[in-house]
Amino acid sequence: GAVVSQHPSWVICKSGTSVKIECRSLDFQATTMFWYRQFPKQSLMLMATSNEGSKATYEQGVEKDKFLINHASLTLSTLTVTSAHPEDSSFYICSAPWDREWNEQYFGPGTRLTVT
Amino acid sequence: AQSVTQLGSHVSVSEGALVLLRCNYSSSVPPYLFWYVQYPNQGLQLLLKYTSAATLVKGINGFEAEFKKSETSFHLTKPSAHMSDAAEYFCAVLNRDDKIIFGKGTRLHILP
Repeated sequence: GAVVSQHPSWVICKSGTSVKIECRSLDFQATTMFWYRQFPKQSLMLMATSNEGSKATYEQGVEKDKFLINHASLTLSTLTVTSAHPEDSSFYICSAPWDREWNEQYFGPGTRLTVT
Repeated sequence: AQSVTQLGSHVSVSEGALVLLRCNYSSSVPPYLFWYVQYPNQGLQLLLKYTSAATLVKGINGFEAEFKKSETSFHLTKPSAHMSDAAEYFCAVLNRDDKIIFGKGTRLHILP
């Protein structure tokens, strides 16, 4: 089946630095990818929709200047957390729709970000 | 707007017993509904999905769910729980913007 990968799976960074997280669709093309964040023991909250060749669309309350999204190709989307702070520590998960009807999405394994 | 509500943040069942995880949806149009499972420190795995083809949907690992329009429910069941079923389970709905909206999740505990 379709596979979505994320890199890195785990990252620790110092407060004030930036971190880039990659999301790749390994055996299919994804013109759209979604980014979620998940706080400990909570549900997934949609952050933004990444669109290949155009700007990402952000959900209400998500700072677009803090969470930079680039969808450089049909198989790669990146999320950069800029000037990270401890409150940005979370589990970040991406997903990509699989078929044309978009009723199935494949999720990446997630990236655990810890900001110290 | 489409949404789902999961009843019970924690459910405990004995090994071999019936598993029932509840999910109710809110949607003005026929919904696409999903159940996902998440093991600790891992991403999500699709268990099953409802796309209006059949009201009883069978998924992986012996799970199934029944879509009941009259009750606006999509409860997840498994006849006999196994220790490996211990995980977090999320009910979700696809909204009009093709975005998946998740419920708050239910953590399933399996008692030996």
